[in-house]
Parts: sequence; structure tokens; C-alpha cells
Amino acid sequence: QVQLVQSGAEVKKPGASVKVSCKTSGYSFADLDINWVRQAPGLGLEWMGWMRPGNGNTGYAEKFQGRFSMTRDTSISTAYMELSSLGSEDTAVYYCTRGVEQGTDYWGQGTLVTVSS
Amino acid sequence: QAVLTQPSSLSASPGASATLTCALRSGINVGTYRIYWYQQKSGRPPHYVLNYKSDSDEQKGSGVPSRFSGSKDTSANAGILVISGLQSEDEADYYCMIWHNDAYVFGGGTKLTVL
Repeated sequence: QVQLVQSGAEVKKPGASVKVSCKTSGYSFADLDINWVRQAPGLGLEWMGWMRPGNGNTGYAEKFQGRFSMTRDTSISTAYMELSSLGSEDTAVYYCTRGVEQGTDYWGQGTLVTVSS
Repeated sequence: QAVLTQPSSLSASPGASATLTCALRSGINVGTYRIYWYQQKSGRPPHYVLNYKSDSDEQKGSGVPSRFSGSKDTSANAGILVISGLQSEDEADYYCMIWHNDAYVFGGGTKLTVL
């Protein structure tokens, strides 16, 4: 069965960077996009970007361009996101989700990133 | 004006039907979009419910009951998620999403209360 398993919660200081992993199984990792979506406490879902693991192509939401990057290790079917220059407004649960036709289906369990001095 | 607008809340009784709407901004034609719906229960990740393009082009997520169905209201320029035979377990936040201008866009979500 398809699974996306994310790394554990992180606490970071303002100005730092965070890297979150998303290990996939149950399908061909190279063939379907991985998207990253975040959700601030009590708020809605916000899309951050997509990556095609097979060729490394990426697309970023305009809001995050410049301080957000996505990478992957195809040998272990794992995708990564890194967000830099963290501020308190980046405190959120970060999700990876598998891309399908013009949308997404399976989601990781989420990774809470807390930014606090 | 937001790209996708959802009512912030909706209440319905057990056994009744709930109609959740997702209005597209004026100038964005609902007919050309595939609309995705997600259910999110408190403290849990979103769960894919279904996507709807047309009556002949709808896909449901794994294990999603037949009580969930999608449609469009072209006069209102909106996507619709209908949940029939409401159960207490359907109480959750529901989000719609489209791929628009090379980005995914979510609606603000509707909190469905079953009471």
C-alpha cells in the first residue's frame, strides 16, 4: 500500500533553516510528483511547491521562491524540503502529498515545525 | 477576491445530506477545472475524498464510501461535494483544491458539524 512517512517534529530559532524528509513506499517514486503543503495552527492549507523525483524538476509557489527548496534521493524513495530564514510565521505542520492528475492523493502524517526564540 | 471560496461552516443532522460548495472567482470557469476534495479531522492529515471534472470523470479515494459524490453548479460557477446519509464520523473540515496558473490553490475550508 502507498505510504508517505515524514520525519519528526522540529524546534528552530528564528533565522535558522529546517529540513523535513518524506519517505515513500508502495509505488514508483520516480513517476509521480511530491508536493509540499503547510498548515499554520488553526488555519487552512497552503501549497508550497512540487517536485518530480524522476528528473528533479520543481515548481514553487511564488510566496516561497528563494527560501524554499525540494530535493530527493531516489535510491531510498525519499523527498526532502528545506525552508530557510525561518520566522514565527513559519510555525506550522508541513505535509508531503503525492501528486496525481491535477491534484494529490496520499498524504504524509505531517511534521510540526515550531519557530521560537 | 480569493480564487476559491468556501463557507466557513455548515451544520446538518445525522441521516440528512450536506452540500458543500466551492465557488470559483469570477472569470475562472469551473467547467475547465478538475476539483479535488479533502477531509481533515482534528489533529489528522488531510484525507483525499474525490476529484470531479464531469459526470463521466470522477474518481474517489481508496475506501471512500459511495455516500460521497461530486458535481458542479455551472450557474454558480462552483464545485460541489455532497455527503448523503450523514454520520457523526463525517464531522470534519473539508477543503477544495484546483490547479490554477501553475499552482495548487486551496479553498479556505468548511467546518462540517453533524448534530
